Amino acid sequence: QTVVTQEPSFSVSPGGTVTLTCGLSSGSVSTSSYPSWYQQTPGQPPRTLIYNTNNRSSGVPDRFSGSMLGNKAGLTITGAQADDESDYYCGLYMGSGIWVFGGGTKLTVL
Amino acid sequence: QVQLVESGGGVVQPGGSLRLSCAASGFTFSSYGMHWVRQAPGKGLEWVAYIQFDGTNQYYADSVKGRFTISRDNSKNTLYVQMNSLRAEDTAVYYCARHRGSKLYLDYWGQGALVTVSS
Repeated sequence: QTVVTQEPSFSVSPGGTVTLTCGLSSGSVSTSSYPSWYQQTPGQPPRTLIYNTNNRSSGVPDRFSGSMLGNKAGLTITGAQADDESDYYCGLYMGSGIWVFGGGTKLTVL
Repeated sequence: QVQLVESGGGVVQPGGSLRLSCAASGFTFSSYGMHWVRQAPGKGLEWVAYIQFDGTNQYYADSVKGRFTISRDNSKNTLYVQMNSLRAEDTAVYYCARHRGSKLYLDYWGQGALVTVSS
């Protein structure tokens, strides 16, 4: 069973830059997995940030960007702000109508 | 604006059944595929099921296959999930989400409905 891997936690200083990654326990993430990224704060539903690797969803600030980093997908936050402190999940399309989410990264801004 | 409102959550005994609904508004429901995604307390997101815009095809995570059934009524702008043979590990907040077809992602999410499986 393929598992989508994410860093369990990450820390960034206010104004700093951080890149979160999304990989596969076996194999590589590619653009044909249509990587997407979701932000979630406690008690709230997820909010869609990035779709199709590097496209920002409507209303998402341009400090959020997506990319491919070798065999992984990446989410970069440039100029981190206090309210970026959230859980971040990547989602991958595995084919045959199946989607999978990563375990999430808890981002701390301090 | 797009709105998705889940209902039908509650407490159910192990082995029991429950049906969740998701009422959609603010968009042409019959033109979009829909997903159910769940989140166990303190855990991450888990994709549960997907149904195509016209209900023709349904897809399921292995963890719920054979126990859960996703369906929709386009005349009522409503998505459903029928959950049978419920287990303690099915305890979670269940979100419905709209599928964005050509880009293969979930673009709008409901607020969620809590399902607790406990005796």
